[in-house]
Amino acid sequence: GENVEQHPSTLSVQEGDSAVIKCTYSDSASNYFPWYKQELGKGPQLIIDIRSNVGEKKDQRIAVTLNKTAKHFSLHITETQPEDSAVYFCAASSRTGTYKYIFGTGTRLKVLA
Amino acid sequence: DGGITQSPKYLFRKEGQNVTLSCEQNLNHDAMYWYRQDPGQGLRLIYYSQIVNDFQKGDIAEGYSVSREKKESFPLTVTSAQKNPTAFYLCASLRGTEAFFGQGTRLTVV
Repeated sequence: GENVEQHPSTLSVQEGDSAVIKCTYSDSASNYFPWYKQELGKGPQLIIDIRSNVGEKKDQRIAVTLNKTAKHFSLHITETQPEDSAVYFCAASSRTGTYKYIFGTGTRLKVLA
Repeated sequence: DGGITQSPKYLFRKEGQNVTLSCEQNLNHDAMYWYRQDPGQGLRLIYYSQIVNDFQKGDIAEGYSVSREKKESFPLTVTSAQKNPTAFYLCASLRGTEAFFGQGTRLTVV
């Protein structure tokens, strides 16, 4: 079945360093790839997304890259800060009747002060 | 303020009981979703609804039921048939491609 693999499951970085989280998807029909940030005890919030007709998108310290041929997409956070500590989920979806997201298993990011 | 409200935040259920989790949105979104979140796993889809009076099973619908009588409301019932209901439950609604999540309900079987 369709799935999204996400790595690593945990990531610790020093404040100011960069963090990279990678996802691989299986459904070649996927055309929308959002990233969500979930803080403790809260629901996930969209932080950035990318569509299949774009290879890279950047929003301040956050960027996402997409390689459709390899079915890989990655989240890059530069100049990490303690408030970046959270669980990050990638997802892939395709419009086949309805938007049905397949989520990765999550990455717990810890930014060490 | 527009958004999605889930209640209660914490819920305790005795074995053999049915419980209903509330999800209300005032965003005027047609599509709504229920996900289950377990440690070390991604969000798994339980049920979804694209329009009032219509809903579809997701990947792990067994032991759950839903209704969609109003656009604003999409309650989830966890029945006694769900053998391992302890989890964090998330409701979401969809605008275009963006999913908006509620704050979640943590259900614990005691």
